[in-house]
Amino acid sequence: EVQLVQSGAEVKKPGESLKISCKGSGYSFTSYGIGWVRQMPGKGLEWMGIIFPGDSDTRYSPSFQGQVTISVDKSISTAYLQWSSLKASDSAMYYCARCLGSGRLGQYYYMDVWGKGTTVTVSS
Amino acid sequence: DIQMTQSPSTLSASVGDRVTITCRASQSISTWLAWYQQKPGKAPKLLIYKASTLESGVPSRFTGSGSGTVFTLTISSLQPEDFATYYCQQYSSSWMFGQGTKVEIK
Repeated sequence: EVQLVQSGAEVKKPGESLKISCKGSGYSFTSYGIGWVRQMPGKGLEWMGIIFPGDSDTRYSPSFQGQVTISVDKSISTAYLQWSSLKASDSAMYYCARCLGSGRLGQYYYMDVWGKGTTVTVSS
Repeated sequence: DIQMTQSPSTLSASVGDRVTITCRASQSISTWLAWYQQKPGKAPKLLIYKASTLESGVPSRFTGSGSGTVFTLTISSLQPEDFATYYCQQYSSSWMFGQGTKVEIK
């Protein structure tokens, strides 16, 4: 069974750093991308970025460029989303999702399997 | 950036109704569009990709159509488990979600 298992809920203070994880299993981890999506309380889905574990190629939404870092450790089939200095406005649910390529060159990626999400709460 | 606009934002319907949600892209995205369903407290679930291809295991009452800039998701006969929020997402150039359509009980 294809699964993405995300790390547990986090409660942090403003200014602290944080790294959350997303571990893939049941498929060839390096053959798919991993995307990250933010959902603020009561709001819609926002695409943050994607990483391709095979070569660590990473792309960010302009809204999140410079605000977060996406990384991967393919030896343990795990992708990460990290912040160096959290703000209260980073409080949200964060989802990772497997990104499946389609199209003649496989260059169009949609999200077919999702993790259950990691809640991040930032409060003083 | 390609912007995605869904309508309506909220839709009130009854079990058995035929329901249609529209998603418009700010420029042509061919058929590089996906639809997701999200229930409260749950992760999104893929329903349709490439505008009209039903994901494995998704009931056939869900239908996607469209190309270019206008797309629709139709639920032919609304079931109790279909009350949820639906999002479109373009994956033609970068990625962008629509703002969501909440389907609620009338």
